[in-house]
Amino acid sequence: NAGVMQNPRHLVRRRGQEARLRCSPMKGHSHVYWYRQLPEEGLKFMVYLQKENIIDESGMPKERFSAEFPKEGPSILRIQQVVRGDSAAYFCASSPEGQGTPLHFGNGTRLTVT
Amino acid sequence: AQSVSQHNHHVILSEAASLELGCNYSYGGTVNLFWYVQYPGQHLQLLLKYFSGDPLVKGIKGFEAEFIKSKFSFNLRKPSVQWSDTAEYFCAVNDYKLSFGAGTTVTVRA
Repeated sequence: NAGVMQNPRHLVRRRGQEARLRCSPMKGHSHVYWYRQLPEEGLKFMVYLQKENIIDESGMPKERFSAEFPKEGPSILRIQQVVRGDSAAYFCASSPEGQGTPLHFGNGTRLTVT
Repeated sequence: AQSVSQHNHHVILSEAASLELGCNYSYGGTVNLFWYVQYPGQHLQLLLKYFSGDPLVKGIKGFEAEFIKSKFSFNLRKPSVQWSDTAEYFCAVNDYKLSFGAGTTVTVRA
């Protein structure tokens, strides 16, 4: 059973470009979470999605960031017009039932904005 | 929203020493508590979890944690660390979504 798959592993973008981060949850998991890890900081919750629904996006910056988890295909975290401050590791996690259940994490995507 | 505080940013110790990492959370209701570990270059892995029952929880690789409800704490312990325990350790609390502490980097010297 494959784990949570994230790609790309590393992503380099120039300021102003768009970044698209993909996450395929574990088989049978319908709950997806995105976290951001900044240098010297812990993991910050960004958004919680179930299939086709955003459940909680309280951790998402109000502008330029969006997330989706379509009926078919991976979850996508999209960052438009990236800035240097967006450079971070972005982790996706999935769980089968949501609240209270342990999360399984992917290897993360390290975004570098030049 | 939950806030999770981990007491130490960086801990350095020698092999065979005992390890204790502090973790406190803010919310007093029903919570689920976790410790995750991130080895260098790898993703987060679950060390142990507490949902209910015995407040002393045993996890993988000889780790254990004690939930003390009155202190809102969930401290992680290992009696004798190994070099391979060098990693970053995150405490997390889940009352709706998982909230993480800032992490503690543990360096074990051989």
